[in-house]
Amino acid sequence: EPEVTQTPSHQVTQMGQEVILRCVPISNHLYFYWYRQILGQKVEFLVSFYNNEISEKSEIFDDQFSVERPDGSNFTLKIRSTKLEDSAMYFCASSSTGTGTEAFFGQGTRLTVV
Amino acid sequence: GENVEQHPSTLSVQEGDSAVIKCTYSDSASNYFPWYKQELGKRPQLIIDIRSNVGEKKDQRIAVTLNKTAKHFSLHITETQPEDSAVYFCAATLSFNDYKLSFGAGTTVTVRA
Repeated sequence: EPEVTQTPSHQVTQMGQEVILRCVPISNHLYFYWYRQILGQKVEFLVSFYNNEISEKSEIFDDQFSVERPDGSNFTLKIRSTKLEDSAMYFCASSSTGTGTEAFFGQGTRLTVV
Repeated sequence: GENVEQHPSTLSVQEGDSAVIKCTYSDSASNYFPWYKQELGKRPQLIIDIRSNVGEKKDQRIAVTLNKTAKHFSLHITETQPEDSAVYFCAATLSFNDYKLSFGAGTTVTVRA
């Protein structure tokens, strides 16, 4: 069964450093998403991406965040200058169409900012 | 934006009993309501979903009901088993111009053997 894969599984970084989280969505999917989950809290939407541009972003997704699809398979989330409060599990997801269809989640990257 | 409330936050049931989780949503335009199960340290996985043109959907021991008028939907798990222990999240999304899922806060279900 096709899966969304994310790397790394765990990233530890110093405050102020840049991090890039990587995702390989399911190959025939067209819509890509990043969500985050702070420990013990709900999953929160960050951004959606379609046709090489951002479709929608939440208020969490400020100027410190950016997304890119550098090639035909990868989808990345960059945090320019990490803060302690960026520590969370980051999930990538993809879906074949937009709303109303299943979003498949990756296994997540646990980001720890120290 | 959409606001999804989920209750209860924790639920403990005896093996074999039923579990019910309820969610309410704020935006009457929402039309897709998935339920995700998340085991400890793992990814959320879709277990069942329902669209607004349907009032009920069942898949083996799992069922979801939707009341559009009242803007609430519920997950029902019958004949619970220890492997049903997990965190369950409801979510909702709008039909257009909104590609995001808005999640509830989650329900930690513990099935006692």
